[in-house]
Amino acid sequence: DVKVTQSSRYLVKRTGEKVFLECVQDMDHENMFWYRQDPGLGLRLIYFSYDVKMKEKGDIPEGYSVSREKKERFSLILESASTNQTSMYLCASSLARGSTEAFFGQGTRLTVV
Amino acid sequence: GNSVTQMEGPVTLSEEAFLTINCTYTATGYPSLFWYVQYPGEGLQLLLKATKADDKGSNKGFEATYRKETTSFHLEKGSVQVSDSAVYFCALMRNSGNTPLVFGKGTRLSVIA
Repeated sequence: DVKVTQSSRYLVKRTGEKVFLECVQDMDHENMFWYRQDPGLGLRLIYFSYDVKMKEKGDIPEGYSVSREKKERFSLILESASTNQTSMYLCASSLARGSTEAFFGQGTRLTVV
Repeated sequence: GNSVTQMEGPVTLSEEAFLTINCTYTATGYPSLFWYVQYPGEGLQLLLKATKADDKGSNKGFEATYRKETTSFHLEKGSVQVSDSAVYFCALMRNSGNTPLVFGKGTRLSVIA
């Protein structure tokens, strides 16, 4: 069974902390994505990666960075967490070519206090 | 740019009612179109897709037809069940090149017995 696994379902962090959200996929997918989901705003793309050590900014990259050292793992980093980064974060992966399905993790609900 | 507009919810229906969730898109070229569903507490999963004009995607009694002339991909189901209660997202992906999914804001559906 194909799987995208996010390391935490729920996280509570303090303002100013450095936060790491981890995502691992077991499908040998080239593409990986980080979205955040907020009520009334839907899913917004933060960053994506087409290959190891490659990254591209999405629509809302400010305040975030990413790391992809291995093909199966894509990390989202909040350099200095702020309360407006309280959100649901969703990781996804897909094959490189064609209009293929994206597979999503279960999400990490992050609360910054 | 590419964008997806879907009807705002929430939508509340009685069991066995007919469902339509409208979705229209703006895109350069000819995108592939998707409906994703998010059940409570879970990540997104693909419901159905269509990759070219006049294609009909279908799954679990849901269907949607890719209408190039109206740039639409409306989701329909003839008889909804309580278990269909979820958030539904319309999305597009450009077929040229390796591009991320672009999502609508989501429509929450509640089906009551």
